[in-house]
Amino acid sequence: KAGVTQTPRYLIKTRGQQVTLSCSPISGHRSVSWYQQTPGQGLQFLFEYFSETQRNKGNFPGRFSGRQFSNSRSEMNVSTLELGDSALYLCASSLSRGLENTEAFFGQGTRLTVV
Amino acid sequence: QKEVEQDPGPLSVPEGAIVSLNCTYSNSAFQYFMWYRQYSRKGPELLMYTYSSGNKEDGRFTAQVDKSSKYISLFIRDSQPSDSATYLCAILGGAAGNKLTFGGGTRVLVKP
Repeated sequence: KAGVTQTPRYLIKTRGQQVTLSCSPISGHRSVSWYQQTPGQGLQFLFEYFSETQRNKGNFPGRFSGRQFSNSRSEMNVSTLELGDSALYLCASSLSRGLENTEAFFGQGTRLTVV
Repeated sequence: QKEVEQDPGPLSVPEGAIVSLNCTYSNSAFQYFMWYRQYSRKGPELLMYTYSSGNKEDGRFTAQVDKSSKYISLFIRDSQPSDSATYLCAILGGAAGNKLTFGGGTRVLVKP
């Protein structure tokens, strides 16, 4: 059974640019969540999508956005990149049929460096 | 105060020792508790997932939850150098819904 796939694995962008990251969840999983991981702040929740709808959102500025497609694949976009956006961006997928089925499995992440 | 507190370590133990990790949390509405292992430059890997107070065992790993004290633990028996990683607790439930709230992670080093 394939795991969570994130592409690309590494990215280098310049301040002010925008970036799109992609996540393919485990087959059959309908919930996709995105997290930002930095040495200073640890793992912080960005947003969650379920059946193409944003179901939950963390405390990040509007520059961070996402979407989910009908096949459950998800993308997140960061516009007007800042140096502080440099981080490991992780995607997690789960069945999410009720909280008791919300074991979340993570991808390898996309390491974004903003210069 | 963070919702989930975890000692950052590092925690250094000799091979074969028991590793003891723990987290405290503040929101009694939290219902589900997970432990993840993360190797350097990799995504977190789910180790244990538990709901009720008490112990849950899986191989060398035992997760313990004490909801009355808002305290969760992970024990690793017969630790191996390959267990050297950062261990993260994550908690789910309450008004946060499906959002995982993570501790800051404890770095563990198992010395041969």
